[in-house]
Amino acid sequence: KNEVEQSPQNLTAQEGEFITINCSYSVGISALHWLQQHPGGGIVSLFMLSSGKKKHGRLIATINIQEKHSSLHITASHPRDSAVYICAVRYGGATNKLIFGTGTLLAVQP
Amino acid sequence: NAGVMQNPRHLVRRRGQEARLRCSPMKGHSHVYWYRQLPEEGLKFMVYLQKENIIDESGMPKERFSAEFPKEGPSILRIQQVVRGDSAAYFCASSPSYGTGAYEQYFGPGTRLTVT
Repeated sequence: KNEVEQSPQNLTAQEGEFITINCSYSVGISALHWLQQHPGGGIVSLFMLSSGKKKHGRLIATINIQEKHSSLHITASHPRDSAVYICAVRYGGATNKLIFGTGTLLAVQP
Repeated sequence: NAGVMQNPRHLVRRRGQEARLRCSPMKGHSHVYWYRQLPEEGLKFMVYLQKENIIDESGMPKERFSAEFPKEGPSILRIQQVVRGDSAAYFCASSPSYGTGAYEQYFGPGTRLTVT
């Protein structure tokens, strides 16, 4: 069982729809990251969260530490949002390494 | 301020050759992380380095792989005697050593290694 679980694995939406991607993890963490990767492309950090909620443009990320769960929401989705969205956790301590989920492939159709 | 630089972007090696992947962190960043993304798989941590020190190499294969981050110059991920299973995208990330952004990681564009 992966330490970081994402759902759904694949998501197809129509332009304008509200999208939610979920991430669950098994043990306590110091922070959770949401990343975006376009096919064949690099990785962009969207959010780093340790509590509460963050918003950037049409993207919103929330985290519930007690339930070990985070969500990434995209409002008014657009075809350019099509990408793989990756959740990653950091446990803290001496290492800052990230443990990644398997990603959610999002396709937004016009 | 240039972002994280990786070169080469694409590298083709024959089985048995050596591959050297370079990562120049963002200006002012002294922490470097290497991650590998195998085809159709997720990202996996390999190694975490600070200048002249390996902090965590728990994700590095035991043989053929090594990493360094010298006092001057880029971080190098070295793969000796490459095999087809090493074909993957290798991403480098960097972070500053202090301040509010100390735990934010900034990713490079990756090096796509193909072993023929």
